[in-house]
Amino acid sequence: EDKVVQSPLSLVVHEGDTVTLNCSYEVTNFRSLLWYKQEKKAPTFLFMLTSSGIEKKSGRLSSILDKKELFSILNITATQTGDSAVYLCAVRTGNQFYFGTGTSLTVIP
Amino acid sequence: ETGVTQSPTHLIKTRGQQVTLRCSSQSGHNTVSWYQQALGQGPQFIFQYYREEENGRGNFPPRFSGLQFPNYSSELNVNALELDDSALYLCASSRVSSYNEQFFGPGTRLTVL
Repeated sequence: EDKVVQSPLSLVVHEGDTVTLNCSYEVTNFRSLLWYKQEKKAPTFLFMLTSSGIEKKSGRLSSILDKKELFSILNITATQTGDSAVYLCAVRTGNQFYFGTGTSLTVIP
Repeated sequence: ETGVTQSPTHLIKTRGQQVTLRCSSQSGHNTVSWYQQALGQGPQFIFQYYREEENGRGNFPPRFSGLQFPNYSSELNVNALELDDSALYLCASSRVSSYNEQFFGPGTRLTVL
């Protein structure tokens, strides 16, 4: 059975801290791994990863994929209160996306 | 460019009833996927529509059905509602050529009593 597991389930940090969110997966026919940020309802796209070892960066956020060990990490440096959200990891196999349960991040001022 | 829209925003139904949820794709997008997100869980794939045909389905019973229209908008129909159907239903649209880039709508919150 295809599955995506995220850890930790929740995290509380202070502004300025650096956080690392984890996503491991076991799927057949891997095509891509995606990270989303969900603040209220609609998840918004952050990164798409298809190749191992190539870091994607956008401002204070970065992500990398390890296809041998079947995991990805999402790093957020110098966290801000606006980073508070649920971060979802999804793996595409064929036409389906399998999502993890998400990591709930709370950034305290 | 118009984003993905969904209606209604909220809905309350009772067990056994039927419900129809609607989604308008982002301009230029021809593929629509539907997801169910229970409280505290990640979205679960229900099905995808492309060219008005179902093009992939997750582990959901046949009482979950859908339609896609020529303008690429879509409906999700759920028959014989059960309490466990209470969830946020998300629609996502994309171009078939760039399916990884899904844009999500704000969702419909369904409560089944």
